[in-house]
Parts: sequence; structure tokens; C-alpha cells
Amino acid sequence: DAGVIQSPRHEVTEMGQEVTLRCKPISGHNSLFWYRQTMMRGLELLIYFNNNVPIDDSGMPEDRFSAKMPNASFSTLKIQPSEPRDSAVYFCASRDGTSGFTDTQYFGPGTRLTVL
Amino acid sequence: AQSVTQLDSQVPVFEEAPVELRCNYSSSVSVYLFWYVQYPNQGLQLLLKYLSGSTLVESINGFEAEFNKSQTSFHLRKPSVHISDTAEYFCAVLNRNQGGKLIFGQGTELSVKP
Repeated sequence: DAGVIQSPRHEVTEMGQEVTLRCKPISGHNSLFWYRQTMMRGLELLIYFNNNVPIDDSGMPEDRFSAKMPNASFSTLKIQPSEPRDSAVYFCASRDGTSGFTDTQYFGPGTRLTVL
Repeated sequence: AQSVTQLDSQVPVFEEAPVELRCNYSSSVSVYLFWYVQYPNQGLQLLLKYLSGSTLVESINGFEAEFNKSQTSFHLRKPSVHISDTAEYFCAVLNRNQGGKLIFGQGTELSVKP
């Protein structure tokens, strides 16, 4: 299996632009997580989905952030408009879930976002 | 609310020396504990996890961690480190009441010097 796939790996954009991050989970996994990693705040859970349904989005910082999962093999995290404080590494992770919520989360390589 | 505290942000050690990375958690319910490792420019990988049973859990590359309920700790140890162990290590607690959300500590940067 190719693991969790994220694109792009690096994104540099200007303040005010729309940014879309993409994630393809491991095939057969039924849970998907979006995290943000910064030096100041560490690793934060933004939102997670079970069976394509958003379960908890309490970590989404504000209305500029939105996430969708239209099917079991694809998810997007969108920032519109982007701001310099959104600069971070964004990780996607997926989980099998057949053994319950203790199943391992598998992380993608991350997208490094820089907003100028 | 659950939280995880990693007591050391950086741990420099020499190759072949023993190391301990400390992790304490707070929780009012049963916990499931994890250690993840992040190598430079990569995503996180599971190192080991405690779900139940034996309080000592081991990874395939020589790390071990012991769940200590009375001290609310889950310290990670290795008797002899290698240069290749240089990475950032994250302790995490899983909240069973919140659908399996992982709460991560701030991370400990392990730097192994020759």
C-alpha cells in the first residue's frame, strides 16, 4: 500500500489567496484526521471524519477553514482567505477502525504551507 | 480534560548511551497511550502503544515504555541509542469518550551525537 498520500508537499501562497490541501487515505480505512503542526502550538487536531461524515470539527480555528470528504478515498482542507498565521505543516492521517478507535492512525508526509 | 506533558523539549545524548523521554498525562477515565516518532521532513509513525494488559510495551527497534497508573506516566526508554534514532518523539493519549481523538504532547527532540 502507498500509505496516506498528501498533495501538494509544499505550498507557498500570498495572503488572501485560497489554499486547498488534498489527502488520499489508505484504502479501506474509515476514519480520516486533519492535523496542523506549528512550533508554537505543537500538533493540533483540526477535524476528523468517520465514514466520510465530519464527527468533530472543534479544532478548526475559524470560518476561513473548511474540510470535506466527498468519498472514502479523498478529502480536502481549504483555507479561504489565507493569512500568514496559517503557515504550518498540515498532516492527514487515516485509521482502519475495524478494531475500534484504538486502531493505529497512519500519517501522511504532510503539506508545508507558507503564506506570505 | 485530558492532556499530555512531555517534560523535556530537547534531549541530547551520545551514541550507545541510554535514554529516557518522559511523558505524563492527565485523565479522569481509562487511558490508551501512544508514542509516535517523526523523522525529519516526514509524517508521524507509531512507535508503540499501551491499550491494556502488560504495563511494559516494546517496539521492534529496541524502545520500550511502561504505563504507570499511580504516577500517570508513560516514559519511553532505550538502553542504547543509535544515530538513526535522532528524531522528534510525541507522546499521545487517546480519548475513548471522544471517538478516538489523539491528544499529543509538545514533543521531545532526541539528538544522538557520535
